[in-house]
Amino acid sequence: QSVLTQPPSTSGTPGQRVTISCSGGTSNIGNDYVYWYQQFPGTAPKLLIYKNNQRPSGVPDRFSGSKSGTTASLAISGLRSEDEADYYCAGWDAILSGWVFGGGTKLTVL
Amino acid sequence: EQLVESGGGLVEPGGSLRLSCRASGFTFRGTWMDWVRQAPGKGLEWVGRISDDGRPDYAAPIKGRFTISRDDSESTLFLEMNSLKAEDTGLYYCTTEGRFVSGGGKDVWGQGTTVTVSS
Repeated sequence: QSVLTQPPSTSGTPGQRVTISCSGGTSNIGNDYVYWYQQFPGTAPKLLIYKNNQRPSGVPDRFSGSKSGTTASLAISGLRSEDEADYYCAGWDAILSGWVFGGGTKLTVL
Repeated sequence: EQLVESGGGLVEPGGSLRLSCRASGFTFRGTWMDWVRQAPGKGLEWVGRISDDGRPDYAAPIKGRFTISRDDSESTLFLEMNSLKAEDTGLYYCTTEGRFVSGGGKDVWGQGTTVTVSS
């Protein structure tokens, strides 16, 4: 059972906009920044969004992050087949004094 | 920027293993470093981290069994694992924390090293 809750899966068609939610609490998302990671099968995760809505260099602006209260969201617009991957949210938990991850969301591009 | 983990393998329950992570292409000294693991077919789990001045933090499930350390002169991060359990099986990644972006984002990842705990 992950501290941060994500839907196990979602899907969309090419060109569509999809969103992935990440629900936490006042000790993590509600208290600090949210980060998003993208992971393709058999490869290491990659930082996609940092500090709620910032994109590292090289990440397309089709990817965007937002946060409201204890819930964060990752939005992917103009969906492409190469976006098919697992997506994880993460944040620092002040009570646990450690980083916590969501369980991950598998995105399928139909 | 590159991180290369090593030291994984098969170990019996109750055994020990020492993982290493060699950094290159960036200044290791002054960089916070983390270990993150992933059980087969499962999600990401934070193991722990070490600050730039050597202070470690650990996740609750591994506290007291694992020790994180670093050798800045060798640009190497270590994870000493003792009293290993079957549930410690997985792919262990080392990562930087906030080295190239502000905040605590894990912005560089190694390829991982596999730990299997089984009799």
